[in-house]
Amino acid sequence: DGGITQSPKYLFRKEGQNVTLSCEQNLNHDAMYWYRQDPGQGLRLIYYSQIVNDFQKGDIAEGYSVSREKKESFPLTVTSAQKNPTAFYLCASRDGAGWRGYTFGSGTRLTVV
Amino acid sequence: DQQVKQNSPSLSVQEGRISILNCDYTNSMFDYFLWYKKYPAEGPTFLISISSIKDKNEDGRFTVFLNKSAKHLSLHIVPSQPGDSAVYFCAASEGQGGSEKLVFGKGTKLTVNP
Repeated sequence: DGGITQSPKYLFRKEGQNVTLSCEQNLNHDAMYWYRQDPGQGLRLIYYSQIVNDFQKGDIAEGYSVSREKKESFPLTVTSAQKNPTAFYLCASRDGAGWRGYTFGSGTRLTVV
Repeated sequence: DQQVKQNSPSLSVQEGRISILNCDYTNSMFDYFLWYKKYPAEGPTFLISISSIKDKNEDGRFTVFLNKSAKHLSLHIVPSQPGDSAVYFCAASEGQGGSEKLVFGKGTKLTVNP
């Protein structure tokens, strides 16, 4: 079955460490997105990529970095510069030529202690 | 500035009754609207959508109504079931030539009481 895989489901890191969240899709979708969810804040866009080797900042990109070397993969690195990294992170993808909605992964809960 | 607003953070209804979730938007370029349902610690799942050329779309117990003049849409769930308890996100998309991004509201937490 096609879908989006985010791993791991839960991640713990010490303050000051960088951490990379994985997102892989086998839907052959062109566009991929990273969102962050905090209580009462809804879904806030961190970064997105519409094609391989290209990506744009979203609304809250500070302290994050991404790469898009392959169509299937869009990893997100949470750097030590991110002031409040503890959150639920969601990856999504979209078929650039088809349905205008997103397909979401199951999320990664990052806790920084 | 929030382009998509869900002004009710929470809603509680009795099983069997109607649930009405509301969403307002400010960008007149939005032409496609979606509702997503999200359980805790899971990714959102698509529920129903509507194009701006329509004013109603129905799928089983779920109906979305769009009032373009008021820039308002609503999701009706009839009858509500305890399994419907989740956070519901409204999202909007601009037309061709616009942004590829969906703009999400902050969500409404629906609780359906048995």
